[in-house]
Amino acid sequence: AQSVAQPEDQVNVAEGNPLTVKCTYSVSGNPYLFWYVQYPNRGLQFLLKYITGDNLVKGSYGFEAEFNKSQTSFHLKKPSALVSDSALYFCAVSDNTGGFKTIFGAGTRLFVKA
Amino acid sequence: DTGVSQDPRHKITKRGQNVTFRCDPISEHNRLYWYRQTLGQGPEFLTYFQNEAQLEKSRLLSDRFSAERPKGSFSTLEIQRTEQGDSAMYLCASSLAGTGSETQYFGPGTRLLVL
Repeated sequence: AQSVAQPEDQVNVAEGNPLTVKCTYSVSGNPYLFWYVQYPNRGLQFLLKYITGDNLVKGSYGFEAEFNKSQTSFHLKKPSALVSDSALYFCAVSDNTGGFKTIFGAGTRLFVKA
Repeated sequence: DTGVSQDPRHKITKRGQNVTFRCDPISEHNRLYWYRQTLGQGPEFLTYFQNEAQLEKSRLLSDRFSAERPKGSFSTLEIQRTEQGDSAMYLCASSLAGTGSETQYFGPGTRLLVL
């Protein structure tokens, strides 16, 4: 069965500093990994995904994520945080065993302080 | 491309009443998903359609819940005999069929409050 863990409920970072939001996963087959962001009273917005290929994936708004197969992790990163990055971030996973169900983590709230 | 839209955005109802939500996916997308999100949690998968066929349903989707996508375009999610535990945000997403790894694009959600 698929599962996703986001071990931090909240991450605090100062504007201009690098940020990392952690995600680990478990799937039966090859993982398809996603990051989404949710702003208040809005739906989820797609940031980036890993399907295959280069372990470092670049996405929207300067975010990137690194796929680490041995550690089953897919941490979200940004070199320099902005106050406007403050939001709720979700990691999600699906696999290639034939189903189309995507499992989401519980979310990590990011606070970027000016 | 106007994105995924959902209607209504907010719904307040009394326990025992029936409610229906509508989702209009991105026009060329043939897959449509419904999720439920409660406070402090990530979205939980409810069901998914490919064109008009409902291909997978979660155990979360009790017999009080029914979803349709009659013409392979918009979809409706109906909850009969609502309970207070049904209070949540109901999210719809759509995607274009490919390898199974296609990106899902989400609507703004319908927030349901059952009194």
